[in-house]
Amino acid sequence: AQSVTQLDSQVPVFEEAPVELRCNYSSSVSVYLFWYVQYPNQGLQLLLKYLSGSTLVKGINGFEAEFNKSQTSFHLRKPSVHISDTAEYFCAVGRLNAGGTSYGKLTFGQGTILTVHP
Amino acid sequence: DVKVTQSSRYLVKRTGEKVFLECVQDMDHENMFWYRQDPGLGLRLIYFSYDVKMKEKGDIPEGYSVSREKKERFSLILESASTNQTSMYLCASSSGRTQYFGPGTRLLVL
Repeated sequence: AQSVTQLDSQVPVFEEAPVELRCNYSSSVSVYLFWYVQYPNQGLQLLLKYLSGSTLVKGINGFEAEFNKSQTSFHLRKPSVHISDTAEYFCAVGRLNAGGTSYGKLTFGQGTILTVHP
Repeated sequence: DVKVTQSSRYLVKRTGEKVFLECVQDMDHENMFWYRQDPGLGLRLIYFSYDVKMKEKGDIPEGYSVSREKKERFSLILESASTNQTSMYLCASSSGRTQYFGPGTRLLVL
């Protein structure tokens, strides 16, 4: 079974500062990874995804993440945050089965609440 | 744009009631999912469906059942609601690896 650990439950940061939200996963097979964002009282919105290819992926709103297979990590970064980035962020991992396909089942981390202060 | 809708944003029910949560997607996706979200626990998979009338248990299926009679609609059923089922319920759909989520239903069981 796979698991996802988001290392920080809450991250406070000042506006225009850089931020990194950390995500580690455990899986012995090929994986694909996502970051989702959830604004208050809304569903989850896709931020970015790693399916294959380049390990540095860029998403919406200036976010990017790097897939590091050796460290089993997929940390999310933004060089300069805005007040509007205040939200909860979820890392999720899916596992490719032996045939290279998937029903799209994902395992989610516990979430990291990012609070941007003026 | 993919659109996933859920029948209610907020719902209040009494212990013992039968509760139906409906989810509809408009992108002809094969796969649909029901999660519950609780603070500090992230999202936990209740059930998923990979085709009409096909379903599989997720990580926490106890106390829940599902129905998928049509491809676009996936229903979550709480046979006899209990207070520990108070939660946020999220529906998602996918045709491959990327899941798209609805706005969620916040359920309060009194």
